[in-house]
Amino acid sequence: RKEVEQDPGPFNVPEGATVAFNCTYSNSASQSFFWYRQDCRKEPKLLMSVYSSGNEDGRFTAQLNRASQYISLLIRDSKLSDSATYLCVAFSGNTGKLIFGQGTTLQVKP
Amino acid sequence: NAGVMQNPRHLVRRRGQEARLRCSPMKGHSHVYWYRQLPEEGLKFMVYLQKENIIDESGMPKERFSAEFPKEGPSILRIQQVVRGDSAAYFCASSPLVSGMTDTQYFGPGTRLTVL
Repeated sequence: RKEVEQDPGPFNVPEGATVAFNCTYSNSASQSFFWYRQDCRKEPKLLMSVYSSGNEDGRFTAQLNRASQYISLLIRDSKLSDSATYLCVAFSGNTGKLIFGQGTTLQVKP
Repeated sequence: NAGVMQNPRHLVRRRGQEARLRCSPMKGHSHVYWYRQLPEEGLKFMVYLQKENIIDESGMPKERFSAEFPKEGPSILRIQQVVRGDSAAYFCASSPLVSGMTDTQYFGPGTRLTVL
């Protein structure tokens, strides 16, 4: 079983739609979680950190459920520029190693 | 403040040759991580280094791969006797991580290695 699992998609949505991505992790010792964005196999860029209390940044909302070992990302009012691969990431142990999910591909259509 | 720099951006090698990938961390960062992304797959951790020390190499293949981060100069990921399966994007990240604390890792643009 992969340590971080995501539905690879693709998710094809129209502009303005709301879309949700889910992610599960298997290592209960994972300390922190992030969503990264990757465009066309370029370098990953940090989108936002994920907290148990939930956090929101504009149109993006991230949530962590430690009991279910489940992480989510909600994108409201999708834009064409949101088209990318979204990577669910767990921070593992004290060495600072990031564990990446396979990524979920989003394609926003006009 | 320049970001993480990697060179070369693209590298072509024939089977059996050596590949050397370089990474210069962001200014003020003393922690370097290497990740590999195979075609159609996610990023996989390879190695974590601090200056002159390998902290965690649990993701490194046992043979042909080595990494260093000398006191002066960039971090080097070295692949000896490359095979076609080594073709991938190799990303370097750096952080000012303080031991035991979470911090953001900033990624370089990657080196795309193609083995013919």
